[in-house]
Amino acid sequence: EDQVTQSPEALRLQEGESSSLNCSYTVSGLRGLFWYRQDPGKGPEFLFTLYSAGEEKEKERLKATLTKKESFLHITAPKPEDSATYLCAVQASGDSWGKLQFGAGTQVVVTP
Amino acid sequence: DAGITQSPRHKVTETGTPVTLRCHQTENHRYMYWYRQDPGHGLRLIHYSYGVKDTDKGEVSDGYSVSRSKTEDFLLTLESATSSQTSVYFCAISEGTGVNEKLFFGSGTQLSVL
Repeated sequence: EDQVTQSPEALRLQEGESSSLNCSYTVSGLRGLFWYRQDPGKGPEFLFTLYSAGEEKEKERLKATLTKKESFLHITAPKPEDSATYLCAVQASGDSWGKLQFGAGTQVVVTP
Repeated sequence: DAGITQSPRHKVTETGTPVTLRCHQTENHRYMYWYRQDPGHGLRLIHYSYGVKDTDKGEVSDGYSVSRSKTEDFLLTLESATSSQTSVYFCAISEGTGVNEKLFFGSGTQLSVL
């Protein structure tokens, strides 16, 4: 059975204090691993898709990396506006597009 | 929110009452999805559609039905709402081309079943 586990559940950072979020997964053939950001009261917002081990993607202070069993979302020198819940999701190679298996998320709070 | 409108945004209903949630898109995307989000469970797929009148079940489809009579509209119906269906419901869309696919989500509907 496909599974996605995110850790930690919650993370409190000082502004400028870099950290990493973990997403470990088990899936029968990975088609893609997705990272989303979700603000309170809103729907998830797409950040990255990673397709193969060794791949990296960057956007502003965020950098996502992928290995065969896990993905990391690195937040470098975070600002308060980076506060959000970050969701990881995987798509198995045998599934239709959009049938994603989501993790429960990591809630990040960045304080000034 | 990528041209996706969910209605209503909030609803309170009683156990045993039928409820219909609506998702409307202006992107002309082929695929539409209904997810529910609960604390500790993350987002779980309820049903999805890959075209007009073409739908399929997701991970947690029991107690839900869907219909898609037009490309732009995808309806989720709870035939007889139960307290376990209290949740936040998100509609999502994707192009369905298979190239650089990504989901775009609506703002959600908060449903409370009392």
